[in-house]
Amino acid sequence: QTVVTQEPSLTVSPGGTVTLTCASSTGAVTSGSYANWFQQKPGQAPRALIYDTINKHSWTPVRFSGSLLGGKAALSLSGVQPEDEAEYYCLLYYGGAWVFGGGTKLTVL
Amino acid sequence: EVQLVESGGGLVQPGGSLRLSCIASGFTFSSYSMHWVRQAPGKGLEWVSYISSRSDTVYYADSVRGRFTISRDNAKNSLYLQMNSLRAEDTAVFYCARGCYASRGCWIDSWGQGALVTVSS
Repeated sequence: QTVVTQEPSLTVSPGGTVTLTCASSTGAVTSGSYANWFQQKPGQAPRALIYDTINKHSWTPVRFSGSLLGGKAALSLSGVQPEDEAEYYCLLYYGGAWVFGGGTKLTVL
Repeated sequence: EVQLVESGGGLVQPGGSLRLSCIASGFTFSSYSMHWVRQAPGKGLEWVSYISSRSDTVYYADSVRGRFTISRDNAKNSLYLQMNSLRAEDTAVFYCARGCYASRGCWIDSWGQGALVTVSS
């Protein structure tokens, strides 16, 4: 069973920068994993942020960016805003199946 | 505006069945693949199932394969999830989610608000 691992929680100060990562139990995450990232706030449905590892949706704030980092997919936030406090999930593709990471709870404090 | 509205959730006994529906509006439903994703109370997201735009390809998570069936009716702009042999661990909010159109490596771009399914005696 494939497991996708994210940091359970991270804390960042307003205006700061933070990087969330997404690792696969099958090995290095590559561009072929087509990582997608989603944001979910309490009581709300998720919202798509990043697709195909690095691409932003039209509604994605410019402070969000995606990359590959040390064999993992990564989501970076620069100039963090209070409204960025949320749970963040990555989603990886495994050829006919998709697996979400366990989520990272980002606290802005 | 893209709208996805789930219905059909509720309380069901272990071993029972339930059928979820998702009505789509604001886009050409027949052009998009669709997913079901669930979230157990206080837990993370779990991908459940996928169906291509013309229903010629379907996929399931191991946890539901053989028990759940995804289908769609493009004439009715509707997506369905037939759930049989339900277990307590299937208790979750089930989200209908739209796949991306002609965007490589883009899996989901829109979500419904979800329907709660509770499996309990």
